[in-house]
Amino acid sequence: EVQLLESGGALVQPGGSLRLSCAASGFSFRSYAMNWLRQAPGKGLEWVSTIDGGGDATFYADSLEGRFTISRDNSKNTVFLQMNDLRAEDTADYYCAQWAVSTKFVWGKGTTVTVSS
Amino acid sequence: AIQLTQSPSSLSASVGDRVTMTCRASQGISSALAWYQQKPGKPPNLLIYDASVLESGVPSRFSGSGSGTDFTLSISSLQPEDFAIYYCQQFNSYPLTFGGGTNVDIK
Repeated sequence: EVQLLESGGALVQPGGSLRLSCAASGFSFRSYAMNWLRQAPGKGLEWVSTIDGGGDATFYADSLEGRFTISRDNSKNTVFLQMNDLRAEDTADYYCAQWAVSTKFVWGKGTTVTVSS
Repeated sequence: AIQLTQSPSSLSASVGDRVTMTCRASQGISSALAWYQQKPGKPPNLLIYDASVLESGVPSRFSGSGSGTDFTLSISSLQPEDFAIYYCQQFNSYPLTFGGGTNVDIK
């Protein structure tokens, strides 16, 4: 069974940085692309970033303006999201998701990031 | 970016009703679409992928159809646990995008 456990969410001041982690188990981690998505309070779902299985290809939402970096450590079955220059609009629940096949994501339970002074 | 427009944005229905909602893409996406159900405080729950494939464990009252630009999610007989927000997501190209959601509530 695929299990994804996000961690690292916290209260952070505007302009600050945070690194989220997602520990994966139950599948051959290096064989799958991984994703981060988010949902601001009371808002819809937003894709944030994708990284391929080898970590060579990464994709980002334009709205991030280069502030976030996705990476992975296949030896530790973990994917990361480094978030810099955080803004109030980055306040959200952040979800890790495995790109299982074609159009199928398997989601974790999420971690909460709050950007506020 | 491909825009997904869901309609209606909300609907009221009764238990036992047949419910249909749509997701329209701003350009053709073949069958690269998934549908999710989300309840408050929970992550999205995958219902349908590849536009019409029922995810394992999802009740058969849920069905998806469509290809190209127009997609439909139907619930054949609405159950109390189905009151939730439903989202579509396209996988055709980056940036991956979501529709704005359809909120199904109790009439």
